[in-house]
Amino acid sequence: AQTVTQSQPEMSVQEAETVTLSCTYDTSENNYYLFWYKQPPSRQMILVIRQEAYKQQNATENRFSVNFQKAAKSFSLKISDSQLGDTAMYFCAFNNNDMRFGAGTRLTVKP
Amino acid sequence: DADVTQTPRNRITKTGKRIMLECSQTKGHDRMYWYRQDPGLGLRLIYYSFDVKDINKGEISDGYSVSRQAQAKFSLSLESAIPNQTALYFCATSDSAGEVHHEQYFGPGTRLTVT
Repeated sequence: AQTVTQSQPEMSVQEAETVTLSCTYDTSENNYYLFWYKQPPSRQMILVIRQEAYKQQNATENRFSVNFQKAAKSFSLKISDSQLGDTAMYFCAFNNNDMRFGAGTRLTVKP
Repeated sequence: DADVTQTPRNRITKTGKRIMLECSQTKGHDRMYWYRQDPGLGLRLIYYSFDVKDINKGEISDGYSVSRQAQAKFSLSLESAIPNQTALYFCATSDSAGEVHHEQYFGPGTRLTVT
């Protein structure tokens, strides 16, 4: 079974700085999808960014970008110019018809 | 209006009671899912359905059942609630057609407390 590991339970960053959240996964599949979801205090799950495993180019969405290392099974999220509204739980997820989530990283952006 | 809705948003019930959580979607998606979220464990899949006649067990289905009444509706039942089913429950949908069929859209969640 696929597993997803987020090794940083909590992180903090100063406003306007850059932070990187780590995620590793374990699978024997070759085709799959990876996601980062954000869960603010409102508890809504919000998609931040997606990456298709067959694409070599790292995905980017405005201030959010990923570093996808397929051979290393690593999928980290970089948040640039951190804003107070980025404070949330962040979940890494792996999907190949069966979505698996990591345990989450609680990110606090400090003013 | 929200694309994926869940009712109730919050519920407190007693051990042994039967409870149903409901999910409706207006996205026109064919696939629907139920997850539970516990602190430190992320989200875990309970059941999923790829169309009205398809029901599949997820990672943690024991103690739960589901019903797919229509393409837009997917309900989760706890036949006899127990305290360790206290959690945040999410419904999600996805569309099997198109390039991003692996992307899931989540409802607002239901906070369930079993005393």
